[in-house]
Amino acid sequence: EAGVVQSPRYKIIEKKQPVAFWCNPISGHNTLYWYLQNLGQGPELLIRYENEEAVDDSQLPKDRFSAERLKGVDSTLKIQPAELGDSAVYLCASSLDGRVGTEAFFGQGTRLTVV
Amino acid sequence: QQQVKQSPQSLIVQKGGISIINCAYENTAFDYFPWYQQFPGKGPALLIAIRPDVSEKKEGRFTISFNKSAKQFSLHIMDSQPGDSATYFCAAGDGGSQGNLIFGKGTKLSVKP
Repeated sequence: EAGVVQSPRYKIIEKKQPVAFWCNPISGHNTLYWYLQNLGQGPELLIRYENEEAVDDSQLPKDRFSAERLKGVDSTLKIQPAELGDSAVYLCASSLDGRVGTEAFFGQGTRLTVV
Repeated sequence: QQQVKQSPQSLIVQKGGISIINCAYENTAFDYFPWYQQFPGKGPALLIAIRPDVSEKKEGRFTISFNKSAKQFSLHIMDSQPGDSATYFCAAGDGGSQGNLIFGKGTKLSVKP
């Protein structure tokens, strides 16, 4: 069974440009997470979806970040415009049902470099 | 109150030795405590997890010890191997209404041959 698939793996953009990341969770997983991981740090939650509903986006910088999970499956995270400080690894994870604390599986992440 | 504090930041152990990583939390609503292993260029992968109804869980060379009253939990890696060299993250989750995982800052483990 395929794991969580993210694309692209790497992205280099100039500041002020837009960028989008895509995530395909494990089939049947209702919960989808986007995490931000800075170098040498643990993942920090940006947004969590239960099916197509964003149930926790309190840590998402809404002035420049947006996310969607159409039909409760794939998800896209967008940054517009990107800033130098956005350089990090963006991780997507999915879980069968995060509300009862089931295992979260992570993708390999998208490494973003803003120059 | 949502923080998970992890120590040490880095750890060097000889092959065959015991690696011990500690975590502490504040939020008593947490009821799920996983440990993740991350290799460079990869996403975190679940290693072992525990819930607060037990004080210890063992899977192969990996053991979680959990102290509910002290709000602490630790990962013990017995007979550490060079292949265990990775970054380890503890996390805590509230499986009730939140369902979020809060991660520690990580411990970089190096096992010397």
